[in-house]
Formats: sequence, structure tokens, C-alpha cells
Amino acid sequence: GQQLNQSPQSMFIQEGEDVSMNCTSSSIFNTWLWYKQDPGEGPVLLIALYKAGELTSNGRLTAQFGITRKDSFLNISASIPSDVGIYFCAGQRLRAGNNRKLIWGLGTSLAVNP
Amino acid sequence: DVKVTQSSRYLVKRTGEKVFLECVQDMDHENMFWYRQDPGLGLRLIYFSYDVKMKEKGDIPEGYSVSREKKERFSLILESASTNQTSMYLCASSSLLAAHYEQYFGPGTRLTVT
Repeated sequence: GQQLNQSPQSMFIQEGEDVSMNCTSSSIFNTWLWYKQDPGEGPVLLIALYKAGELTSNGRLTAQFGITRKDSFLNISASIPSDVGIYFCAGQRLRAGNNRKLIWGLGTSLAVNP
Repeated sequence: DVKVTQSSRYLVKRTGEKVFLECVQDMDHENMFWYRQDPGLGLRLIYFSYDVKMKEKGDIPEGYSVSREKKERFSLILESASTNQTSMYLCASSSLLAAHYEQYFGPGTRLTVT
């Protein structure tokens, strides 16, 4: 199946640093979602975006729906050890034949050095 | 809050056994999904269901079947487990409400087939 291009694949940063990751697609999307998965757990929804250009924050997390509708960005400010995990982007394509399924990125694995 | 529960967190089965993974959601969601997650491969959709007794194949349905007899419950069945089905299995649900594509996940079942 189709996948989103998510980068970077992994990051190892110092506590307090800011983090940026992104997802791109060759198709136009009408929804972008960002999830976090803690080790051994299921993914948890962090932020949902529905409009091109939309910028939404959730605490230290900020996500944006790209103007072209083909990309999205997630930023984490002032990282802390509990930010460790895998971050996934997911999207819903415009005019998808079946609008129940999401298209997923492969994830960005984040490690934070205290 | 949406609650998705899975019958087991860890499961060990022998090759050739029939395996049932159960998922229950309490938010009256129409859609339910089964994914498997393997390192480096992200989340891959096995099957999904948009109504009772309705099912559709995802990207990797081979070796699996599903059952949805009640709206809140979605079962994944491995008819004859094989070692290449050792994986983390994640169940998710979502609502059919307009623009609500967010999927909510259970904690996952880590299945080992020996």
C-alpha cells in the first residue's frame, strides 16, 4: 500500500533541544494526523489537522498542515526525556476511493539524552 | 475518552495453532481496524470493518481472517499460526462522522509464534 515519506527516520538529541520532523506525499491530503507511540504501547493521537495552512499546538508540540496539502510538520520544543518514542504521521487522501483508511508514515524514532 | 481494549498484551502460540485476537471499543464507532507492526515497516493494515458483519481486506490480509458480529467487537483470526506472524498487533477504531478520520488504538498484543 501507499506510504507517506516521513523523515528523519531517527533522531538522538539532548534534553532541552527542539525537534522537527515532517511527512510528504505525492498526493493531496485533506487530513493530517500525528501520533506518538511509547515503547510497548499503542499509538496515541497528538494533533489533528484539517485545513491547508493550519497551525495547531498541543503543549510543547506544534504541527502544521502544508499549504500545498502534500506535507505536514511536527515540532517539539524544549524536549524532555518522556518525549522518547516513535512519532507517526498519517493522512487521509482527498477524493480517496475509500475514506475509512489512513495512509501512514514509517515513523520517526526519537531518543533524548538527559 | 475513547477506550479500545485488546484481550491480551502478550501471547505465545505454537506453529499451526488457531489464534484469536479480540478487540473491544466503547465509543460506538462504526469503523474498526487491525494492523500489524514490525520494526522498520511501520503500521500495515490487515483488515478493517465499517459495519457489523462487513469487512474489507487491507494491504496484507493473507493468512488472516476477521469477524465482526457486534458493533463494539472486532476479532482477528490466525487460522494456522506461522512463525512469520510473530509481531505486534494493534486494533483501532474510528467514527464515520464527517471529517473525523482519527483512529484510536488499543495497547497492542505482542504475539510470538514458536
